[in-house]
Amino acid sequence: AQKITQTQPGMFVQEKEAVTLDCTYDTSDPSYGLFWYKQPSSGEMIFLIYQGSYDQQNATEGRYSLNFQKARKSANLVISASQLGDSAMYFCAMSYLSNFGNEKLTFGTGTRLTIIP
Amino acid sequence: NAGVTQTPKFRVLKTGQSMTLLCAQDMNHEYMYWYRQDPGMGLRLIHYSVGEGTTAKGEVPDGYNVSRLKKQNFLLGLESAAPSQTSVYFCASSYSQDTGELFFGEGSRLTVL
Repeated sequence: AQKITQTQPGMFVQEKEAVTLDCTYDTSDPSYGLFWYKQPSSGEMIFLIYQGSYDQQNATEGRYSLNFQKARKSANLVISASQLGDSAMYFCAMSYLSNFGNEKLTFGTGTRLTIIP
Repeated sequence: NAGVTQTPKFRVLKTGQSMTLLCAQDMNHEYMYWYRQDPGMGLRLIHYSVGEGTTAKGEVPDGYNVSRLKKQNFLLGLESAAPSQTSVYFCASSYSQDTGELFFGEGSRLTVL
């Protein structure tokens, strides 16, 4: 069974500092994808970054990077130079194939990040 | 650019009442999903659909039914609402089997008294 674990319920970080949000996963499938979503207080889910299990390089999207360590089954999100607008709930998710052959996502419980001015 | 639209955004029900949440997407996506979000639980998959006329159970399907009569619409029904179904419901859709990126609606907050 697929499982995502986020062990940090909440984090407080000073503005402009870098922050790492932890995510570990468990799967026996050789092919999978790892995602990070941001959920601000307004409630919508915003896609941030994606890493495929066969990708050789860590994914980067602007200030977001995914520190993918396959042997350790971890997919930590790194936000560089944090901003007040980064305050939100962050979810790590993993895709896997359903019986129909389509991708489904399983989510972690989330980390609430608060940026302090 | 509507994307994924959910209606209603808010609803309060009494135990035993029924209701339907509507999800509409205008991106011609094959795959659609209903999730519920509860504090400390993350998002959990209720039901999903891989195309018009097909549906399948997710992690927490009990107490819910779904229908996908048209490709652009995915309906989530509660036949007899229970307080345990108080939650925020998210609809999502996707087009690719490669990346699995989901496009989410804005959520529907349901309270069952």
